[in-house]
Amino acid sequence: SQTIHQWPATLVQPVGSPLSLECTVEGTSNPNLYWYRQAAGRGLQLLFYSVGIGQISSEVPQNLSASRPQDRQFILSSKKLLLSDSGFYLCAWSPGNWKAFFGQGTRLTVV
Amino acid sequence: SQKIEQNSEALNIQEGKTATLTCNYTNYSPAYLQWYRQDPGRGPVFLLLIRENEKEKRKERLKVTFDTTLKQSLFHITASQPADSATYLCALDRGGTSYGKLTFGQGTILTVHP
Repeated sequence: SQTIHQWPATLVQPVGSPLSLECTVEGTSNPNLYWYRQAAGRGLQLLFYSVGIGQISSEVPQNLSASRPQDRQFILSSKKLLLSDSGFYLCAWSPGNWKAFFGQGTRLTVV
Repeated sequence: SQKIEQNSEALNIQEGKTATLTCNYTNYSPAYLQWYRQDPGRGPVFLLLIRENEKEKRKERLKVTFDTTLKQSLFHITASQPADSATYLCALDRGGTSYGKLTFGQGTILTVHP
């Protein structure tokens, strides 16, 4: 069966520091991969979307970037965090049938 | 612009009653509509998917309807239990060249009281 791993679960980072969140999927190949952000009390906002290695679609101009160095690995990065980058970050994968399967999320607090 | 609205931010019901949640959308022509459950501090979990040519879909105590004319989906939980308490999210695919990208509503917080 397929599983998705996302880490770390929580992270507290100072303003101006770099960020790297990693997500890996097991048990499938060539998945569609997503990064979402959920602000407190709000819905999910799609940040990045990838249909293959090195193929990244950015949804919202921002301080973040994403990379897909391997088929089942998706990384969210920032060179310098802002206070506004705080939130709940979720990685998800889809086999291409529109259903999305989410990781457990990373709670990022920028201080 | 495209919008998804889940009409109730919060819904409180008594155990055993049917919970009905609403999702309305504008300026979309989705091929699919989905419902997810999200518990506090966790990622959403897929519940049901309904296609544009389907009027109704059921899974155990869950039922989803999809009216593309009204641009509305209703999500029902029958014989609700306190364990059903969670946030429920509807999601639409954007279709066309945005294939595979989902847009989520803000969610409805459901609380089932014993």
